[in-house]
Amino acid sequence: EAQVTQNPRYLITVTGKKLTVTCSQNMNHEYMSWYRQDPGLGLRQIYYSMNVEVTDKGDVPEGYKVSRKEKRNFPLILESPSPNQTSLYFCASTRGGTGGYAEQYFGPGTRLTVT
Amino acid sequence: QQPVQSPQAVILREGEDAVINCSSSKALYSVHWYRQKHGEAPVFLMILLKGGEQKGHEKISASFNEKKQQSSLYLTASQLSYSGTYFCGRSGGSNYKLTFGKGTLLTVNP
Repeated sequence: EAQVTQNPRYLITVTGKKLTVTCSQNMNHEYMSWYRQDPGLGLRQIYYSMNVEVTDKGDVPEGYKVSRKEKRNFPLILESPSPNQTSLYFCASTRGGTGGYAEQYFGPGTRLTVT
Repeated sequence: QQPVQSPQAVILREGEDAVINCSSSKALYSVHWYRQKHGEAPVFLMILLKGGEQKGHEKISASFNEKKQQSSLYLTASQLSYSGTYFCGRSGGSNYKLTFGKGTLLTVNP
């Protein structure tokens, strides 16, 4: 089954404790992205990756890091989480197409709480 | 800068029609529409490209006015399953750099 998986699905942590949220897709997609969703603000892109070792900032990259060492994986790293990073996080992938226009497949989401 | 969606929320009875608008102050190369049901991930509905090409859903249609930098999503004869939050996304030239609006909450009642 074609899917995007994220782990963990729920995480409660404390300020300053480094964490990683994993994302993996089995569709051989070139492009992957991370979004955060907050009430009233919609979906905001954090980082995206066009292929292995190629990443770029989205609209809200501060406080986050990413890496793309393998095509299927795109982990999101919070080196020193703060309470304002409490949010619902989605990973997404897309195969791209002509000009890169194609549907994105979203993972199930990771709900992060930073106390 | 996020695209602006209107209305923020709409309540319908089953069978009624609805229009959701999306406007951007930045150039639109493509417009993407997604629907998210409560507690679930967003799901793709449609992409509209400059030049009029459209890819997407069978029962939902949309328009893309390049001059006005606007798009509208048309939901006709709404069904209960249409309930959810609808997001439009603006692409500035590639799919992977996508900026979404804040969403429109659509509720369809029996």
